[in-house]
Amino acid sequence: DSGVTQTPKHLITATGQRVTLRCSPRSGDLSVYWYQQSLDQGLQFLIQYYNGEERAKGNILERFSAQQFPDLHSELNLSSLELGDSALYFCASSVTGNPTLNEKLFFGSGTQLSVL
Amino acid sequence: GDSVTQMEGPVTLSEEAFLTINCTYTATGYPSLFWYVQYPGEGLQLLLKATKADDKGSNKGFEATYRKETTSFHLEKGSVQVSDSAVYFCALSVSNSGNTPLVFGKGTRLSVIA
Repeated sequence: DSGVTQTPKHLITATGQRVTLRCSPRSGDLSVYWYQQSLDQGLQFLIQYYNGEERAKGNILERFSAQQFPDLHSELNLSSLELGDSALYFCASSVTGNPTLNEKLFFGSGTQLSVL
Repeated sequence: GDSVTQMEGPVTLSEEAFLTINCTYTATGYPSLFWYVQYPGEGLQLLLKATKADDKGSNKGFEATYRKETTSFHLEKGSVQVSDSAVYFCALSVSNSGNTPLVFGKGTRLSVIA
């Protein structure tokens, strides 16, 4: 158990809908990352937060948004869903989110999103 | 930009066979290199890492050596077990490129059969 909790584990929805994925980081970790895993693209970095502030942005679509709350949990909002958004969405956390420290990332088990 | 290229899978081996999963990278700065493993139904977890040239990372019988001259970080294990069946991801982090988080390869699925 990595200590990172993601809910829900599975989500099935229709095109055009909006969903929210939730992540609780490990106790003491201030930084949260979101990754999208699909068969063709592999593991793609979406966005990173540190202590409530956005720190880095990757290949995140404009239809997607995220935030980190004062209690450090994070939510990833996906709107106007398309079939191609079907993927496994991972959250990861680390203590400072500072790559110069070569910190280990701890991953949750992921949310499997299926858009029908 | 920074990128990681891994050998395509799936890789299927018999128990006790030798494993090599190739990984090469392109980086704008001086990267640290990592291997993460994803067991079925779980998130990724760090397997090993190396932070400078010629460093060897090792864990659970797996090894990888940071080769700057060939920009490679190949994963090896002398004798695989069924329990090693998983997806393996090579990744890099470049510390002098601001706050760039880990960049992952596409993953290589390993299946070990008894």
